[in-house]
Amino acid sequence: EAAVTQSPRNKVTVTGGNVTLSCRQTNSHNYMYWYRQDTGHGLRLIHYSYGAGNLQIGDVPDGYKATRTTQEDFFLLLELASPSQTSLYFCASSVRLGGEDTQYFGPGTRLLVL
Amino acid sequence: GQQVQQSPASLVLQEGENAELQCNFSSTATRLQWFYQHPGGRLVSLFYNPSGTKHTGRLTSTTVTNERRSSLHISSSQTTDSGTYFCAIRSSNTNKVVFGTGTRLQVLP
Repeated sequence: EAAVTQSPRNKVTVTGGNVTLSCRQTNSHNYMYWYRQDTGHGLRLIHYSYGAGNLQIGDVPDGYKATRTTQEDFFLLLELASPSQTSLYFCASSVRLGGEDTQYFGPGTRLLVL
Repeated sequence: GQQVQQSPASLVLQEGENAELQCNFSSTATRLQWFYQHPGGRLVSLFYNPSGTKHTGRLTSTTVTNERRSSLHISSSQTTDSGTYFCAIRSSNTNKVVFGTGTRLQVLP
């Protein structure tokens, strides 16, 4: 089973604050993803990447930046946090081998923006 | 509009009963997947099933691509099956992954 870790697990910040969420995967997966999960919306894709230095825009990118510094590490940045960004954030990774795309998820980060 | 619709939104079963969860998608989709979210929040992949039928243990997924629907059948449900089940598709139009809003399953002892 692929290992995906996230930090911090919980974060509280104030409106306008600067937040960085970290994700690391240790199985050399090419693809990494950031999702947010909100009641009534399921999971929504924020950004994803297919390798170090690459960034692809997801479905709800506004207010978020992301950076893939290495094969293992993918960061989500909220530079001016707003209460609407209060959510549960999941990171995931996948191999993308032969068309199959099993995603492995981290444990999630709960973010509260006051 | 909503590209992925799941039904029912919630389901309560007695242990031992079977469950049938439905997923309908509105766009041309590839790479349909089913996921399970533990009550504590952990997400795991169940099936990658773009077409046809797949089995694992007590779970069976059937996707009929040209009818834009997929189902997840849980046989002889157990209390440990409780949680939320999501389907997700990758739209071939936008190449974006879209999740449904999930079916919350509660299996009573």
